[in-house]
Amino acid sequence: AQKVTQAQTEISVVEKEDVTLDCVYETRDTTYYLFWYKQPPSGELVFLIRRNSFDEQNEISGRYSWNFQKSTSSFNFTITASQVVDSAVYFCALSEASYRDSGAGSYQLTFGKGTKLSVIP
Amino acid sequence: KAGVTQTPRYLIKTRGQQVTLSCSPISGHRSVSWYQQTPGQGLQFLFEYFSETQRNKGNFPGRFSGRQFSNSRSEMNVSTLELGDSALYLCASSSTGYGYTFGSGTRLTVV
Repeated sequence: AQKVTQAQTEISVVEKEDVTLDCVYETRDTTYYLFWYKQPPSGELVFLIRRNSFDEQNEISGRYSWNFQKSTSSFNFTITASQVVDSAVYFCALSEASYRDSGAGSYQLTFGKGTKLSVIP
Repeated sequence: KAGVTQTPRYLIKTRGQQVTLSCSPISGHRSVSWYQQTPGQGLQFLFEYFSETQRNKGNFPGRFSGRQFSNSRSEMNVSTLELGDSALYLCASSSTGYGYTFGSGTRLTVV
């Protein structure tokens, strides 16, 4: 069974500090996808990044960067120079394919419990 | 391009009643998934529909059901509501099956 662990329940940082959110996953599949979502108080889950299991390249997008390491089953997320607008709950998620008899693949997301990030001005 | 639309945004129901939630996916997306979010259990997968067929189902009782129409719009129904069904219900649509766009959710309160 797949599992995602976000050990940090809540993190508080002062504005402009860097912060890393940890994510560790478990899966028996060789093909899977990893995601990070942001959930502001409004409730909507905002997509940040998707990585497939064959692509271990780290990625940087503006102030965001992601470190994917299959050897340690980790997919960590770093925010550089944090801002108050970054305050939200961040979820790491894993998607595996489950195949029915018809052969049609169906993906479902398994989420971690989330990390609540508070950026203090 | 319009996003995923969920209606209503808020709902208050009484124990024992039933409720229907609606989700309109992004145009062209044929896969619709539903998730329940509670403070205790977090985000949990309910079911996924593709081309009007339920393709996958999470570990929820039979009181939770859903359907998808020919225009890909989806509804989920919860019968005989319990206090524990109070949650944020999120719908996600996908064109590829492995990339998901979520709606703003329906916050259901059972009293």
